Amino acid sequence: KAGVTQTPRYLIKTRGQQVTLSCSPISGHRSVSWYQQTPGQGLQFLFEYFSETQRNKGNFPGRFSGRQFSNSRSEMNVSTLELGDSALYLCASREGQRLYNEQFFGPGTRLTVL
Amino acid sequence: AQTVTQSQPEMSVQEAETVTLSCTYDTSENNYYLFWYKQPPSRQMILVIRQEAYKQQNATENRFSVNFQKAAKSFSLKISDSQLGDTAMYFCAPPDSRDDKIIFGKGTRLHILP
Repeated sequence: KAGVTQTPRYLIKTRGQQVTLSCSPISGHRSVSWYQQTPGQGLQFLFEYFSETQRNKGNFPGRFSGRQFSNSRSEMNVSTLELGDSALYLCASREGQRLYNEQFFGPGTRLTVL
Repeated sequence: AQTVTQSQPEMSVQEAETVTLSCTYDTSENNYYLFWYKQPPSRQMILVIRQEAYKQQNATENRFSVNFQKAAKSFSLKISDSQLGDTAMYFCAPPDSRDDKIIFGKGTRLHILP
């Protein structure tokens, strides 16, 4: 099976702009989670989608939103970008929604906000 | 919120040595799963090992093993006969059962020296 893919791999934006990141999970995986990774904060959970429904959300402002489509592909949107949003955004998929299921990570999208 | 602590931000060991990475966490759950994930430089995060909290036996995967102390809420990772390819960031990931998601420690950057 193909692994988790994320597009684009790199993005450069300016403050105030918005950005959309895409994640295609492993075939058959219905759960998709998003994480923000920064050197200072490590990996922070953004949200998880399962069968097109958001089932969990981290402590991020409303500028961060997401959705999942019927084919399990997921998108994450960040509006009104701030310098602090510069980070590696990781997507992970797993087969079910149980916590014991292994998560498979994508390569990430590195977002730079200037 | 549940916390997870990896007290060693960075470590270096010689090739073929044994190294132990520490992790402590907090949970009120009795049955849960814990994970160690590995993120090699510029490569995708992958699962190293998984421990089921209700099993007394420590999990082992080839050169990787854990020392799980449930009462102490400690979950350390031991790497035996370390190899250059073990150079990576290692993340401890216990569940935040209250919010039904995985949380990650800030990671330990491990350097295996030739």
